Formats: sequence, C-alpha cells, structure tokens
Amino acid sequence: GESVGLHLPTLSVQEGDNSIINCAYSNSASDYFIWYKQESGKGPQFIIDIRSNMDKRQGQRVTVLLNKTVKHLSLQIAATQPGDSAVYFCAENIVGSARQLTFGSGTQLTVLP
Amino acid sequence: SAVISQKPSRDICQRGTSLTIQCQVDSQVTMMFWYRQQPGQSLTLIATANQGSEATYESGFVIDKFPISRPNLTFSTLTVSNMSPEDSSIYLCSVVQGSNYGYTFGSGTRLTVV
Repeated sequence: GESVGLHLPTLSVQEGDNSIINCAYSNSASDYFIWYKQESGKGPQFIIDIRSNMDKRQGQRVTVLLNKTVKHLSLQIAATQPGDSAVYFCAENIVGSARQLTFGSGTQLTVLP
Repeated sequence: SAVISQKPSRDICQRGTSLTIQCQVDSQVTMMFWYRQQPGQSLTLIATANQGSEATYESGFVIDKFPISRPNLTFSTLTVSNMSPEDSSIYLCSVVQGSNYGYTFGSGTRLTVV
C-alpha cells in the first residue's frame, strides 16, 4: 500500500550545525504536508507546513522543501540547538481522505554538545 | 490555534478493564480525530469523531473496542475497552479548524495495561 516513510530513523548532529530530515511519500494525490516535532512525553507540535503548489517554505530556523517529481519532502533546521532534540514526523493529507493525516515513521534527532 | 486539554495524562490499568479518555477543546471544531502511538512508533489514526453521528473507524479498529462519543463541538471521549497489554500506547486527540489546515494535538494519554 501507499505510505509515508522516512529515510533515516536516527540523526545525530553537532550543536550549531544544520540538520536535514528527509521523508518520502508515494501518493501523488497528496496535496498538503506537515512537519511535527514530538518531545518525550508530549503530543506532536506543529513546526511548518507546505502545500503541493509550493516547493519551498521558510519559517524561523526551519525550511521545508517539497520535490513532487520524486515525491520527497525535507525539513532543514538551521543552527541546531539542544532543544531541537526530539522525534520529527512528516505527515500528509491525501485528497478525499476527509482531512485526516497519514504519518511517517519518524526520525529521532539528537543534538550533540 | 485551538488549545486541547486531554485527560488523564497517564494511567496504569488492569487487563480486562476499560478506560475513558477525554478531549476538551477551547473552541468549536468541526473535525476531531483519535490516534494511537505504540511505543517507539508513529501515529496511527483510530477514528474520526463526528458530532451528531457515529464515529468513522479506520481499518483494524472497531467500535466495540474503541467506542467514541462526540456530544458537542468542543468535546469527545475515547474508551479503550476490555484492555490487554497490547493496548499499552499513547492515545492522542487532534482537531482541525476551518480551511487553514491547522491540525493541533493534545498532549496525549500514556496508557499502560498490566
């Protein structure tokens, strides 16, 4: 079946470096994508979203890139900080799905001192 | 964005019993969703809670096991019935508001069945 998946389950980066978290999706009908951050013991927290009519969107220290040709989504975090350590999920909304989200498997980001 | 209060935040329950989880939103929302997150895993949709009608369940989830109520536009409950250790998970409610695709999650209920 079609699914949203992540390339890497874990990622370790040095504090101050940039982080890139990747996500692959297989349903070309998906039209909306969200990145969530989940810290231990907490619910997912919205980071940034992007619609399929865009290929890049920037927020504060974060950038999401969407490549519809290869069905790839990435989250870039600039100047990674210890507080960025968490699990990051991508999620997609599939057209006609009554707007529920389908989540990827998640990437654990660890920021090293 | 909406603020969600989810209770209880955690519980340890005996097998065979049931637990009802509450989700209270500070504003009226059309769509509410219940997710399950098994240990170390991603989120899986259980059902969509519809106000004034029965919930819509995803494949693998049934109403007898996970009955849901949605009495109004700000509140919903999920019951985990006849629990077994395999039901040990985090259960999360989520809402979406309007056409701006703003999905918000509660802090979750961490359930341990012993």
